[in-house]
Amino acid sequence: AQKVTQAQTEISVVEKEDVTLDCVYETRDTTYYLFWYKQPPSGELVFLIRRNSFDEQNEISGRYSWNFQKSTSSFNFTITASQVVDSAVYFCALRGGMNAGNMLTFGGGTRLMVKP
Amino acid sequence: EAQVTQNPRYLITVTGKKLTVTCSQNMNHEYMSWYRQDPGLGLRQIYYSMNVEVTDKGDVPEGYKVSRKEKRNFPLILESPSPNQTSLYFCATTRGGGAGTEAFFGQGTRLTVV
Repeated sequence: AQKVTQAQTEISVVEKEDVTLDCVYETRDTTYYLFWYKQPPSGELVFLIRRNSFDEQNEISGRYSWNFQKSTSSFNFTITASQVVDSAVYFCALRGGMNAGNMLTFGGGTRLMVKP
Repeated sequence: EAQVTQNPRYLITVTGKKLTVTCSQNMNHEYMSWYRQDPGLGLRQIYYSMNVEVTDKGDVPEGYKVSRKEKRNFPLILESPSPNQTSLYFCATTRGGGAGTEAFFGQGTRLTVV
């Protein structure tokens, strides 16, 4: 069985602070993909990043960066110099290679509130 | 423009009154799924379909039905809704069955059963 844990249910920061959202996963698959999605107050799901299990390189996209560590089964997401527009619920998700339904297993989500 | 369209966006209904939430995609994707989102639980897959007339249960199928008569449409049917089906529902599509394929989500349907 697969599992994704986002231990931080809610984080509040002041604008311009850096913030890291934690994601820990469990899977028996040797091939798998990890994803991050953003859900702004309007409710839609916005795809942020995909990382496969064989690529442990960190990735940076503007103010966003992701740290994938297979040794600790973690895929953490850092927002540098946070902005009010970053306020949203963020989901980490996992899809294993042996998955008939193409199912994404989601964590419970972290609500990030960025205050001006 | 690639789109996954769900209707309605908001629905309030009474216990036991059958309802259907529609999902339509214009990307010719084979795979379609329904998820429900509940606080603290993230999204959980209800049903999925690998192609026309091929459907199967996801993690939380109880109380739901689906059908896939056309490739573009994948309606979610609640024959006798109950209050515990109050949730935010998402339809999703992927082009194929690869683990790395990107999922495209609809805008969501907020259902309240009273």
